[in-house]
Amino acid sequence: RKEVEQDPGPFNVPEGATVAFNCTYSNSASQSFFWYRQDCRKEPKLLMSVYSSGNEDGRFTAQLNRASQYISLLIRDSKLSDSATYLCVFHTGTASKLTFGTGTRLQVTL
Amino acid sequence: NAGVTQTPKFRILKIGQSMTLQCTQDMNHNYMYWYRQDPGMGLKLIYYSVGAGITDKGEVPNGYNVSRSTTEDFPLRLELAAPSQTSVYFCASSPKVDTEAFFGQGTRLTVV
Repeated sequence: RKEVEQDPGPFNVPEGATVAFNCTYSNSASQSFFWYRQDCRKEPKLLMSVYSSGNEDGRFTAQLNRASQYISLLIRDSKLSDSATYLCVFHTGTASKLTFGTGTRLQVTL
Repeated sequence: NAGVTQTPKFRILKIGQSMTLQCTQDMNHNYMYWYRQDPGMGLKLIYYSVGAGITDKGEVPNGYNVSRSTTEDFPLRLELAAPSQTSVYFCASSPKVDTEAFFGQGTRLTVV
């Protein structure tokens, strides 16, 4: 099983739609989780951290399900500017690095 | 507010040539990383460093070398460039391993 798996998409949604991505991880010792956003031909940037209790930042909600070993990202009221690739990222306590998923591409259309 | 700076932004190399990708950060971060990203693929870790004088291999270190003589700088050396090294290279830094990583703008390398 891969360390981290994401549906590559693309997810094509109209403006105003709600869209959700999941990301599964295989190492149950993983402790820190993040969602990064990467625009076309740009560097990844942190979108939000994912906390055990779930967290929300405006239209974005991140959740962690440790029992099933996945994290999710929910985007409400999608904007054209949300079009990007969303990378799930996690850290395992003993590792000296972050592990990146391959990303889910979102395309928001008029 | 520079953050992580990579040079050059673009480069075309001939097979067998060598070059150094420069990376410098002004945030006094201990952790620094080099990733490569092939088209439509995720980030693969080449090398990383947990502090000045300490480096370690990532997933795909073959064909590359690094050094970390200062906290600020983490250059990546390509020896004997091969077409398989055509990629976008990102340098990143973070204060701790489980916190936000800050990325440079990337170097687009083509080996022909």
